[in-house]
Formats: sequence, structure tokens, C-alpha cells
Amino acid sequence: GAGVSQSPSNKVTEKGKDVELRCDPISGHTALYWYRQSLGQGLEFLIYFQGNSAPDKSGLPSDRFSAERTGGSVSTLTIQRTQQEDSAVYLCASSLDSPGSGGETQYFGPGTRLLVL
Amino acid sequence: GENVEQHPSTLSVQEGDSAVIKCTYSDSASNYFPWYKQELGKRPQLIIDIRSNVGEKKDQRIAVTLNKTAKHFSLHITETQPEDSAVYFCAASSGNTGKLIFGQGTTLQVKP
Repeated sequence: GAGVSQSPSNKVTEKGKDVELRCDPISGHTALYWYRQSLGQGLEFLIYFQGNSAPDKSGLPSDRFSAERTGGSVSTLTIQRTQQEDSAVYLCASSLDSPGSGGETQYFGPGTRLLVL
Repeated sequence: GENVEQHPSTLSVQEGDSAVIKCTYSDSASNYFPWYKQELGKRPQLIIDIRSNVGEKKDQRIAVTLNKTAKHFSLHITETQPEDSAVYFCAASSGNTGKLIFGQGTTLQVKP
């Protein structure tokens, strides 16, 4: 079946502009995660959704970052007033179920490469 | 906060040799430890994972060992091939959300 998809694949924006990144998880996956990967670095957790609710937003770096998920499926990550340090690859992952159920394997999308000029 | 340390940062081996990558984690409540392979410009792909009730798991040329007492886990790749060349990330689950804390990655180069 179809894997996790993300759009756009690349985004170039000017400092101060807002951007929206989209994630389509695997159908039926209830858990959805956003991570950020800076050049040559590991992945940094941003936010976790279970269904439409976000019980863990602890990784969002500032109040310029927000995310929502509707219909238990598609999620959008919004960055307001972008800064150059926001430049990174933003990765989305989904898993079948909540942790402890055996369905916690996370499958990643291809990412959105964001460049803030 | 939660932390995962990964070593080495780069590893170069000859084709056919073994490669070992080691990780330590700080959250004693972590119970799930996946390893991902990421080729240049591609998404991370799960290659193997282990849960805390198991000490070792093997899948063909890849094996992972876990020492919960020491909070240490390792990836072993035997009979390496050039196509194994990539960046490998270890991760540990944190809290009850399933979020993953990743190591900084190991760039593995397998020379033909």
C-alpha cells in the first residue's frame, strides 16, 4: 500500500514568511509524529498526535511552530515568521497504534526540505 | 532530558568485514529501540528493532543487542557490502507517547 507522503518536497521562502507543510500518513495509522533533521544531524522530535489530539508538543522549538491533524489523518505543520535557523528537513512518521501495543514501528515520509533565505 | 549517544560518528570498513555501532540512552523507562538506515537524500528506513524484553535479535546479516542494565544497545552488520554504505541512526522510545530520541548518526562506508 501507499506509504507516508509529504508535500511540498522542497520549499524556499523568505525570512518572515509563513509556511505550511503537509503530511499524509499511512491509512489506518492512528499515531503521527513530526521530526526535524538539520544538515548532518540526527532527528529531533517536534510533536506527537494520537488521532486528532496532540498529547505531546514538547519538541516544538518556539510558539512560531504549530501543528494540527484533522479527521485522524492529514497533518499540517505551520511555521510562522520563518527564521534562517528553521532551515532543515521536516520529516513526518506514522505508526499503526499507540506505544505498548506492538504497533509502534514508525514509518517515515520523504520529508520537506525547507530553506529560509 | 532524554538523550541518546551514538558512536562512532564515521566508520569505514572493507567489504566483507563486520561493522559495529554502539548507542547509550539515558531514560531508564525506554522500552523500544529501532535502528534506521538513511541513504543520501532519502527517508529513514527501519532495518531492525528490539524491545526491552529481548536481549538480542537477528535478521540475516544484521543483529542488535540490548543491555538494559547498562542502558546500552548495539547494531552489528556482518559480511558488509557496498550497498550497506549509508547513515545509520539508533533511537530509543521516550515516555508513553512512543516518540523517538535519536542518536546523531553513524556514516558507514563500505569499501569494495
